[in-house]
Amino acid sequence: NAGVTQTPKFRILKIGQSMTLQCTQDMNHNYMYWYRQDPGMGLKLIYYSVGAGITDKGEVPNGYNVSRSTTEDFPLRLELAAPSQTSVYFCASSPRDSSNEKLFFGSGTQLSVL
Amino acid sequence: GNSVTQMEGPVTLSEEAFLTINCTYTATGYPSLFWYVQYPGEGLQLLLKATKADDKGSNKGFEATYRKETTSFHLEKGSVQVSDSAVYFCALKNNQGGKLIFGQGTELSVKP
Repeated sequence: NAGVTQTPKFRILKIGQSMTLQCTQDMNHNYMYWYRQDPGMGLKLIYYSVGAGITDKGEVPNGYNVSRSTTEDFPLRLELAAPSQTSVYFCASSPRDSSNEKLFFGSGTQLSVL
Repeated sequence: GNSVTQMEGPVTLSEEAFLTINCTYTATGYPSLFWYVQYPGEGLQLLLKATKADDKGSNKGFEATYRKETTSFHLEKGSVQVSDSAVYFCALKNNQGGKLIFGQGTELSVKP
C-alpha cells in the first residue's frame, strides 16, 4: 500500500544547481499536485495536473517546471536553484477534483539551497 | 479571495487537557472545510471534513462544526493524548472547482 511516494527525503543544493523532485502514486488518481510549505506559512500550490499530458500553474509557479507523461508520475523540476526555494515540498493526489474530495499526500522532501 | 487563518502555535498541553484550535475562513460561495494532520516525519492526512453549514466532522475524538455565521471551523478534542502531538492544518476548497487552500498550521505538543 505505497500511496504517494516522494524522493529524495532530504537534499541540499548550491545556488544555481538544478534538480528534480520525484513523485509517484499507485492509486490511479487523475489529479496530482505540488505544494511547498514554508515555516509558519500554509501550503502553497506550485503546479497541478488533471491527467497525463495536462499541467497548470498554481499560486507560486515561478522557478519550477513540471511534466505528466504518465498517470503515476509527476516530477517537479527546479532550474537554477535559489535560496528562496528552500522549503519542504509535498506531492499529493486525488481521484477527483470535487469540492469535498480529500488529498493523499507524500511524506515530503526537505530542500535547502545554500 | 479565499483564505484561511489559524491560531498561532505552538500549543502545549498536558495529557487529558481540552483542546481548541481556532480556524476562520474567507471564501466566496459555500466551500467545503477540512482539517488535516501532519505527524512528525509524515505527510498530511485528512482528519475530518464538513461540506455544508452546521455539519459536524468528527474522527479519532476530534470534532469541528462548520459555522457559516461566524465563518469558523474550530477543531476540538475533549482529552488529548501524547500521540496527538502533530501539526494541524485547516483548509477550504471552493465548490466551483477551486484548489485546496491551507491555513498556516498549528503545532500541538502534548506532554505526559
